Amino acid sequence: RKEVEQDPGPFNVPEGATVAFNCTYSNSASQSFFWYRQDCRKEPKLLMSVYSSGNEDGRFTAQLNRASQYISLLIRDSKLSDSATYLCVVIPGGGADGLTFGKGTHLIIQP
Amino acid sequence: GAVVSQHPSWVICKSGTSVKIECRSLDFQATTMFWYRQFPKQSLMLMATSNEGSKATYEQGVEKDKFLINHASLTLSTLTVTSAHPEDSSFYICSASLSYGYTFGSGTRLTVV
Repeated sequence: RKEVEQDPGPFNVPEGATVAFNCTYSNSASQSFFWYRQDCRKEPKLLMSVYSSGNEDGRFTAQLNRASQYISLLIRDSKLSDSATYLCVVIPGGGADGLTFGKGTHLIIQP
Repeated sequence: GAVVSQHPSWVICKSGTSVKIECRSLDFQATTMFWYRQFPKQSLMLMATSNEGSKATYEQGVEKDKFLINHASLTLSTLTVTSAHPEDSSFYICSASLSYGYTFGSGTRLTVV
């Protein structure tokens, strides 16, 4: 079983729509969770951290369900510029660990 | 914010040659640097963790004699791909941990012909 699993998509969504995707992780001891965005095989850029209480940043909402070991990302009022690959990222242990990345979910916002 | 400068951005080399990739932390000291690679349509995979002044820790399946990592100073970590082969063609990227998260270099696209 892969450590972090995501539906690779692509998700084709019309501009202005709301889209959500999930990610599951296998290590129940995982400490920290993030969503990163990656454009055209460039470096990943942090989109937001994910907290158990859920957190929102503008049009983006992230949720963590530790019991079911999944993380979700919701994008409201999607923009063309939201087209990218969204990476689910987990830190398996303490702060000295590297990141474990999912393969990413490819999102295409259509005009 | 904290910036990691990674060079070169892309490199094409002949099979059998060695390629060095550098990552410099420009405005902070990077005690730990992580090296990842990403094959097409695959996730970024951690290759190794380098700590300043000590030997790097390699992930399972990564050959330490092939991927030489040097972290001699708090601002510079290098990855040398020795005797490169076409299957080493990939996107290599470094990352440093910060108190508030991680920062990434811009990546190096290596093509071995």
